[in-house]
Amino acid sequence: DTAVSQTPKYLVTQMGNDKSIKCEQNLGHDTMYWYKQDSKKFLKIMFSYNNKELIINETVPNRFSPKSPDKAHLNLHINSLELGDSAVYFCASSQPGRATEAFFGQGTRLTVV
Amino acid sequence: GNSVTQMEGPVTLSEEAFLTINCTYTATGYPSLFWYVQYPGEGLQLLLKATKADDKGSNKGFEATYRKETTSFHLEKGSVQVSDSAVYFCAIHLETSGSRLTFGEGTQLTVNP
Repeated sequence: DTAVSQTPKYLVTQMGNDKSIKCEQNLGHDTMYWYKQDSKKFLKIMFSYNNKELIINETVPNRFSPKSPDKAHLNLHINSLELGDSAVYFCASSQPGRATEAFFGQGTRLTVV
Repeated sequence: GNSVTQMEGPVTLSEEAFLTINCTYTATGYPSLFWYVQYPGEGLQLLLKATKADDKGSNKGFEATYRKETTSFHLEKGSVQVSDSAVYFCAIHLETSGSRLTFGEGTQLTVNP
C-alpha cells in the first residue's frame, strides 16, 4: 500500500530513444508533481498538475511531456533522450493548502548512454 | 523570487556529536518551512515543519525554529546516530507559487561510529 509509487525504479536507455515513467498515488491528493534531481542532489520542479490540469510548467525542454489521465496518475514521457537527461526523477503529491506535506515516490534513476 | 540557501556539505560527524545545518530563505510572502530527509536510494520524506514565526518543528530528536526576523530555519540535533546519515533538504512552501516546494541544495550528512 505504497502512497506514491513510480515505475520503473531504474531505466537505462540509449540516446535518441523515447521512454515513459509512470506515477500513481493512492492518497486522494489533488496535486501531483515531477521533480528532477541532478547528480549533485539538487531538486528542481518540472511540472505540477492539479486535478488533471497543468499549473506549473518550468523551463523544461518540450521533449518532456507530462500526462495526467486522472488525478491519481501523472506520467512523464521523454522523447529523443539526451545524455544530459540522466538524473533521478521524483514524482510527488500533496493537497493544496498552507503547510501541506508533499509525499514522494522512490524515484526513477534514468541513465542515458 | 523565492529561494533557499543551505549550508554547504558534506558534513561528517562522529556518533553523539551535535548537529547544525543552516538554512536561510527569501520569499515573496509568508512561507511555511520544511525539512525533508532523503536516505540512500529512497525518496524524500518529511522530517519536520513549521508554519508561523517562532514555531518549533521537531521529530526524531531533530528540531528547527521558524525565525522570521532572520529568515532562517536551522536544523539541530543534540546527539546524532549513524542511522541519521542522509541528505537533508530545507524547503519553503507558498500557496501563491502553485503549491510548489522550493528546495535548498541539500546537505549530505555522514555519521561515523
